[in-house]
Amino acid sequence: GAVVSQHPSWVICKSGTSVKIECRSLDFQATTMFWYRQFPKQSLMLMATSNEGSKATYEQGVEKDKFLINHASLTLSTLTVTSAHPEDSSFYICSVPRAGGAEIYNSPLHFGNGTRLTVT
Amino acid sequence: GQNIDQPTEMTATEGAIVQINCTYQTSGFNGLFWYQQHAGEAPTFLSYNVLDGLEEKGRFSSFLSRSKGYSYLLLKELQMKDSASYLCAHMDSNYQLIWGAGTKLIIKP
Repeated sequence: GAVVSQHPSWVICKSGTSVKIECRSLDFQATTMFWYRQFPKQSLMLMATSNEGSKATYEQGVEKDKFLINHASLTLSTLTVTSAHPEDSSFYICSVPRAGGAEIYNSPLHFGNGTRLTVT
Repeated sequence: GQNIDQPTEMTATEGAIVQINCTYQTSGFNGLFWYQQHAGEAPTFLSYNVLDGLEEKGRFSSFLSRSKGYSYLLLKELQMKDSASYLCAHMDSNYQLIWGAGTKLIIKP
């Protein structure tokens, strides 16, 4: 069964509104979660690393004030796309590494089912 | 610099064998991953190689040669449900996952 639950699966919103995406680790306490974005026919692009109890680490070129990440517990991370615009339309995927400590970085990632965001 | 290459698309026949190659250049190496991604869905983990050699898991096998910066995913006894994109990703010395664009595998009856 699924070990990572992501919600919603798809969302359509109007330009200028905000959208919150939730990522839950169902059977593993995750101090770290990763948020990816994938445009059609392109590779996965890491947006940010979500850290439980501290600030997220954003990749170069990703606006932290636009993509708000909150990792308030060991099982939940949220990504909020603020003031969404059509160019933000994409497939957003969270992932959870299946190990703790330093080993998180070379352990298999388990992905949520993704959220397809369409901004009109 | 860092780069990872895999073919854009491959076609194979149901019941046959197909090998998907992946080459990479990196300043450091902490493992090579293969993921399967069906259209409109998130990737699912297939394999992880950190040492040279072949890792076999049922119908799927993955091979790694660190000196050549080369890996392949071997799929045997192909089934129609294997039609998907196969993503190769390596982890560099900074523990960043560098993803290939994926190989779209089309299975024909």
